[in-house]
Amino acid sequence: EAGVAQSPRYKIIEKRQSVAFWCNPISGHATLYWYQQILGQGPKLLIQFQNNGVVDDSQLPKDRFSAERLKGVDSTLKIQPAKLEDSAVYLCASSFRITEAFFGQGTRLTVV
Amino acid sequence: GQQVMQIPQYQHVQEGEDFTTYCNSSTTLSNIQWYKQRPGGHPVFLIQLVKSGEVKKQKRLTFQFGEAKKNSSLHITATQTTDVGTYFCAGPINGGSQGNLIFGKGTKLSVKP
Repeated sequence: EAGVAQSPRYKIIEKRQSVAFWCNPISGHATLYWYQQILGQGPKLLIQFQNNGVVDDSQLPKDRFSAERLKGVDSTLKIQPAKLEDSAVYLCASSFRITEAFFGQGTRLTVV
Repeated sequence: GQQVMQIPQYQHVQEGEDFTTYCNSSTTLSNIQWYKQRPGGHPVFLIQLVKSGEVKKQKRLTFQFGEAKKNSSLHITATQTTDVGTYFCAGPINGGSQGNLIFGKGTKLSVKP
């Protein structure tokens, strides 16, 4: 089966600019997650969707980050405006049952 | 707040030596998962442990879940160069069962051939 698809793979932006990441989960996976992984650390959950509803966004910096999952399939994560500390890999993951998560390759964001 | 801690942060071994990483949670976990991330790659699910005292094996890998469901370990017997990567443990946030995970910082394993 096809894995979790993410784009772009890499993005370099200047601080205060905006950026968007796209994720297409594995077909049939109702649950979708966005994680932020700063270099040398474990992934940190930003938001979890169940179909097109938000289950948990308690760690999402809502003043600058937003995410949506229209129609319960694809999802986009947006940062506006970006800060230097947002430099990280943004990982999308999906799961069929609430057990193992399948991660995409991630988008490496560099804010300069 | 809830914390998941892993030790050691780094481990360098000679090929053929054994390796163990330890995971400790500040709260009781309903389950614990282990992931492996190869250099430049993404986390890949290895296993989930649910029962107190549970032990599971996958070839050369042995996973344990503590009796109090607050700690876990991963042991690799006779490491190979293909074992290189960072091993993460992760547990449900705030003891929930929604699938959202809190990860440890990981143990980075390097293997010298």
